[in-house]
Amino acid sequence: DSGVTQTPKHLITATGQRVTLRCSPRSGDLSVYWYQQSLDQGLQFLIQYYNGEERAKGNILERFSAQQFPDLHSELNLSSLELGDSALYFCASSVAGQNTGELFFGEGSRLTVL
Amino acid sequence: SQQGEEDPQALSIQEGENATMNCSYKTSINNLQWYRQNSGRGLVHLILIRSNEREKHSGRLRVTLDTSKKSSSLLITASRAADTASYFCATPVGNAGNMLTFGGGTRLMVKP
Repeated sequence: DSGVTQTPKHLITATGQRVTLRCSPRSGDLSVYWYQQSLDQGLQFLIQYYNGEERAKGNILERFSAQQFPDLHSELNLSSLELGDSALYFCASSVAGQNTGELFFGEGSRLTVL
Repeated sequence: SQQGEEDPQALSIQEGENATMNCSYKTSINNLQWYRQNSGRGLVHLILIRSNEREKHSGRLRVTLDTSKKSSSLLITASRAADTASYFCATPVGNAGNMLTFGGGTRLMVKP
């Protein structure tokens, strides 16, 4: 158990809909990262937050947004969903904001868009 | 785009054999990490090697790093069926915090 909690574990929805994925980092970790894993794109970095502020942005679509709240949990919002958004979405956390150490991953949220 | 690329994409061996996976990357790094992922599960950190290290061991794992060739290898000795998983190398990119980029992974199957 990594200590990172993601909900929901599975989600099935229709095209055009909006979903919210939630992540609770390990106790004490200030950084939260979101990754998307699909068969054709592999693991893609989406966005990082550190202590409530956006720290780095990767291949995140404009239809997607995220935030980190004062209690350090984070939410990833996916809107106007398309079939191609079907993927595993992972949250990871780390203590620091710099690239000095390992990331702790949650078990992921599997999104299926029909 | 992916910073690291693993080779081979898939590897099938018998229990007790050694498994070697390679990773190549493109830009200068200060560390390289290896992660393991069981099917459909979250990634688990295995080992981190810093740019000033050439070799590192952890249990049955041995990682090497050659910064001149921009490559790393992960060796799993005396493999077990439970080692069946995908293995990814990851490198931090730029100055943007822990923005790790992952390679495509090596799918390892260890047959009992």
